[in-house]
Amino acid sequence: EPEVTQTPSHQVTQMGQEVILRCVPISNHLYFYWYRQILGQKVEFLVSFYNNEISEKSEIFDDQFSVERPDGSNFTLKIRSTKLEDSAMYFCASRRLSPVYEQYFGPGTRLTVT
Amino acid sequence: DAKTTQPPSMDCAEGRAANLPCNHSTISGNEYVYWYRQIHSQGPQYIIHGLKNNETNEMASLIITEDRKSSTLILPHATLRDTAVYYCIVRVEGGDMRFGAGTRLTVKP
Repeated sequence: EPEVTQTPSHQVTQMGQEVILRCVPISNHLYFYWYRQILGQKVEFLVSFYNNEISEKSEIFDDQFSVERPDGSNFTLKIRSTKLEDSAMYFCASRRLSPVYEQYFGPGTRLTVT
Repeated sequence: DAKTTQPPSMDCAEGRAANLPCNHSTISGNEYVYWYRQIHSQGPQYIIHGLKNNETNEMASLIITEDRKSSTLILPHATLRDTAVYYCIVRVEGGDMRFGAGTRLTVKP
C-alpha cells in the first residue's frame, strides 16, 4: 500500500539555524499539507499546497516558514531561523484530487531546537 | 468553522463496542463530519466521514443524528490496538483538517 514518507525521522538543530523537512507524498496525490504537533498538544494545521502554490495557511505559518515542491516527488517545509518553540512533530499529508475526504499522513519528523 | 465537543477520555473493554460521541451543534449544511485517530505519536489516520446519512466501512460506523448536531463513532469490536486519540472534525469537503483535543480511548483487556 502506498504511503507518505518523511525524512529525517528526527532532526536536532540549534536555535537560529535553518532546517528543511522533507516529504514524499503518495505519487498520484495532488494536494499536500503540513501539520505540526507540539508535545502533549493538538495537531495544528500549517499550510496546504496545490498546483504549485499555497492554497491555505494558518496564522502559525508566518514568514519564517516556506514550502516548496522542488521536483515531481518531494514536498519540503523550510523553517528559516528556528526558535525553541518550533520544537514539535511535523506531519506531512497528501490526498487525491477526488475523492477529497481522506488525507494520508506521514510518520512525522521530530524537530528538536536547542 | 463549526466547533466540536468530545469527552476528553473514555475506556472500553476489549471485544466490546466503543461508542465515541461528538457534538457539533453549529454545523453548516455543507460541512461534513470526519473522524481521524492518532495512535501514540504516529501520523493521524482517517477513519470515516459523513454528511447526513449513517456510514459504515471496514473500520467503523458513523451515526449522525437527523438534525446533524451530533454524531457517534462506533468501533464494533474494540481491540487493544484501537487505543488512540480519536478526533471528530467538521469541515467543508476538501478542507484542511483542524484538530481539537479529541477523545483518548483506552481499550482494556
